[in-house]
Amino acid sequence: NAGVMQNPRHLVRRRGQEARLRCSPMKGHSHVYWYRQLPEEGLKFMVYLQKENIIDESGMPKERFSAEFPKEGPSILRIQQVVRGDSAAYFCASSSQDGNTEAFFGQGTRLTVV
Amino acid sequence: AQRVTQPEKLLSVFKGAPVELKCNYSYSGSPELFWYVQYSRQRLQLLLRHISRESIKGFTADLNKGETSFHLKKPFAQEEDSAMYYCALRATGRRALTFGSGTRLQVQP
Repeated sequence: NAGVMQNPRHLVRRRGQEARLRCSPMKGHSHVYWYRQLPEEGLKFMVYLQKENIIDESGMPKERFSAEFPKEGPSILRIQQVVRGDSAAYFCASSSQDGNTEAFFGQGTRLTVV
Repeated sequence: AQRVTQPEKLLSVFKGAPVELKCNYSYSGSPELFWYVQYSRQRLQLLLRHISRESIKGFTADLNKGETSFHLKKPFAQEEDSAMYYCALRATGRRALTFGSGTRLQVQP
């Protein structure tokens, strides 16, 4: 089991472009979480998804950010019209259906907006 | 809303010295508390959770509801303990974690 896989590891975008971050959960996991880490800060929750459903998006910015977890394929975090303030490390975690099980983290995608 | 505070950005100790990484939280309900660790160039991983009441790699943490704290302790630090440590809280009925800003532990030889 390769663990939670995120790609790309590093992504550079110019202001105004779109960024797409991918997360493949661990085998057998149907719950995905996205977190953002700004420099010198802790991880901040963004969104929690199950297959084809957004369960909790209380941490998502109201504009430009969206997330999906389709029936087939990885979860995608999409940032439209990126700005410098979007530069951060974005982490994905996955867990199985049981609410008490551990969430396993990916290695993150570092987004730099130039 | 819940909040997790780790007051120290950096904690530097010598090998063999005791370690205490501080974590305080604010939450009106009954929380689940966790410690996560990130070693250099590795992914974030769970170290321990308060409901397990276990000791992992010599580390322990006790939930003190009166002081709203969940400090991480180890009696004798090792060089391989050098890493970033994050305290996290899970609120009742939620699956998302609220993280503190992290403490970098440096264990010097």
